[in-house]
Amino acid sequence: DTEVTQTPKHLVMGMTNKKSLKCEQHMGHRAMYWYKQKAKKPPELMFVYSYEKLSINESVPSRFSPECPNSSLLNLHLHALQPEDSALYLCASRWGRNMNTEAFFGQGTRLTVV
Amino acid sequence: GENVEQHPSTLSVQEGDSAVIKCTYSDSASNYFPWYKQELGKRPQLIIDIRSNVGEKKDQRIAVTLNKTAKHFSLHITETQPEDSAVYFCAAPTGNQFYFGTGTSLTVIP
Repeated sequence: DTEVTQTPKHLVMGMTNKKSLKCEQHMGHRAMYWYKQKAKKPPELMFVYSYEKLSINESVPSRFSPECPNSSLLNLHLHALQPEDSALYLCASRWGRNMNTEAFFGQGTRLTVV
Repeated sequence: GENVEQHPSTLSVQEGDSAVIKCTYSDSASNYFPWYKQELGKRPQLIIDIRSNVGEKKDQRIAVTLNKTAKHFSLHITETQPEDSAVYFCAAPTGNQFYFGTGTSLTVIP
């Protein structure tokens, strides 16, 4: 199984809503990533978890709250988002020990904030 | 923050011609260099990667070259086909950090 699975595929939410994005992998990877991608731009790193601990937070606003409940799951909790947060949110995973390895990406969640 | 510069940002070639995309990195600790292809509306997917113990790697029409002294690596696509049209990203990850270059939008004209 070389899949990273993200749910939902599409999400429309109001600025006062609370929602969560989910990411799952069963490859035994111990590093998991959240990226935000706007149209015609590269994926922009948001958070990295390594062995279920938050390793990197790229100064992301607190309205985005990551969570890594176990080695297979990664969540991104959303609250009080702004329209400019509309984007494709990508999850990725890699091996935790040997970092000279590729990142596997999920298909993404297309988020629209209205 | 980002540690990779990528050029050009857009590239148009005639079908059958070659395409070359170049990335320059700054961290001398980098020793793994992947290239990703992202088609419209899809996820980035690895197409080729190279580690610092080799200078070149080839996979059919795709090759990557690495110059560690100059800190740059390049993607070469030969005999381009319309299905090669996509956005290509390089990366030079170190540790847990995995930042992408700015991307190259390649258009192959039939």
